[in-house]
Amino acid sequence: DAGVTQSPTHLIKTRGQQVTLRCSPISGHKSVSWYQQVLGQGPQFIFQYYEKEERGRGNFPDRFSARQFPNYSSELNVNALLLGDSALYLCASSLVRGRDSTDTQYFGPGTRLTVL
Amino acid sequence: AQKVTQAQTEISVVEKEDVTLDCVYETRDTTYYLFWYKQPPSGELVFLIRRNSFDEQNEISGRYSWNFQKSTSSFNFTITASQVVDSAVYFCALVSNFGNEKLTFGTGTRLTIIP
Repeated sequence: DAGVTQSPTHLIKTRGQQVTLRCSPISGHKSVSWYQQVLGQGPQFIFQYYEKEERGRGNFPDRFSARQFPNYSSELNVNALLLGDSALYLCASSLVRGRDSTDTQYFGPGTRLTVL
Repeated sequence: AQKVTQAQTEISVVEKEDVTLDCVYETRDTTYYLFWYKQPPSGELVFLIRRNSFDEQNEISGRYSWNFQKSTSSFNFTITASQVVDSAVYFCALVSNFGNEKLTFGTGTRLTIIP
């Protein structure tokens, strides 16, 4: 079975531009989460979506937004890019057996965003 | 608030040596999950293990073993007879409470196995 896929692999943008990153979860997984990993640090939680609804939000500015589609794929949008947004953006999917469950997250290869 | 501390920034050992990666966590919740992930140079985080706060049994999987001690809030990871393929950055992570999946990661330990 295919794992979590993300596109594009790499992206170069300039300050002030907008970017959209895409993620397809493992087949059968209904939850998608997004993380930002700055070089040399651990990933930081941005969003979790479950059944197309936002289930959790990390401490990120409103320039960051996301959505989940009926097929459970997801997009992460970042507006008004700053140099500090340069990072590896990781998507993870999980099964989520119920609203009170916590399941293991499986990660994709990431999208490396460089802001110049 | 939750916090995960991995005090060892970098570790280098010679192949076939045993190595232990330390993880100390903080949470006010009585129910939580602990995880270890491996990040090879390719960048993808690879899931290794998950433990919940009610299960303190140590676990062994091949050359890997994990020691969970609630008394010291630690969840340490040992690799026995290390191999070059074990070279990677290893992250310990925490999810507090059940019903959410917000992972709080440590800063990672870069492990280098010298042939």
